[in-house]
Amino acid sequence: AQSVTQLGSHVSVSEGALVLLRCNYSSSVPPYLFWYVQYPNQGLQLLLKYTTGATLVKGINGFEAEFKKSETSFHLTKPSAHMSDAAEYFCAVSPDNYGQNFVFGPGTRLSVLP
Amino acid sequence: DAGVIQSPRHEVTEMGQEVTLRCKPISGHDYLFWYRQTMMRGLELLIYFNNNVPIDDSGMPEDRFSAKMPNASFSTLKIQPSEPRDSAVYFCASSPATGRPTEAFFGQGTRLTVV
Repeated sequence: AQSVTQLGSHVSVSEGALVLLRCNYSSSVPPYLFWYVQYPNQGLQLLLKYTTGATLVKGINGFEAEFKKSETSFHLTKPSAHMSDAAEYFCAVSPDNYGQNFVFGPGTRLSVLP
Repeated sequence: DAGVIQSPRHEVTEMGQEVTLRCKPISGHDYLFWYRQTMMRGLELLIYFNNNVPIDDSGMPEDRFSAKMPNASFSTLKIQPSEPRDSAVYFCASSPATGRPTEAFFGQGTRLTVV
């Protein structure tokens, strides 16, 4: 069975500071990994995804994530936070390549302080 | 494409009433998912369909919940009778089955309040 943990339900950073949101997963098969963002009263939008190949994945809005198999991690980073980055972020794992049965982490709420 | 379309966006109903949530997936997508989001439990997968056939409904909390997908462009999630603890945001998502890893595309959600 697959599972996802996200360390820190709430993270606060200052505008311009580094954003680091942590995600660890467990999977019995090679995983496909995703980061989604949810703005207030909105659905989830894909930020980036890891499938195969390069372990450093770049997404929208300046975010990137690195797949580290040895650490079973897929942490999300952004060098410089912007006020508009304030949202809820979800890490997700899919156990196969058919886009089914996504398992989401509990989410991390990012606050950006002026 | 307009994306995944859910209706209504907001629903307020009295306990005991039947509630029907609707979803139109992205055209051409073979998978459709229903999720429930609450503060306490986060995002929970309720059920998903492949080519209109329910594949896994183990997340459906009780027999009061039922979901159908009569055709490739429409799905419903019904709660009968509704209870206050069903209050949540319900998301529909769809995903193509292209044989390559791909993501789920989410609708805007339906915020259900049962009073």
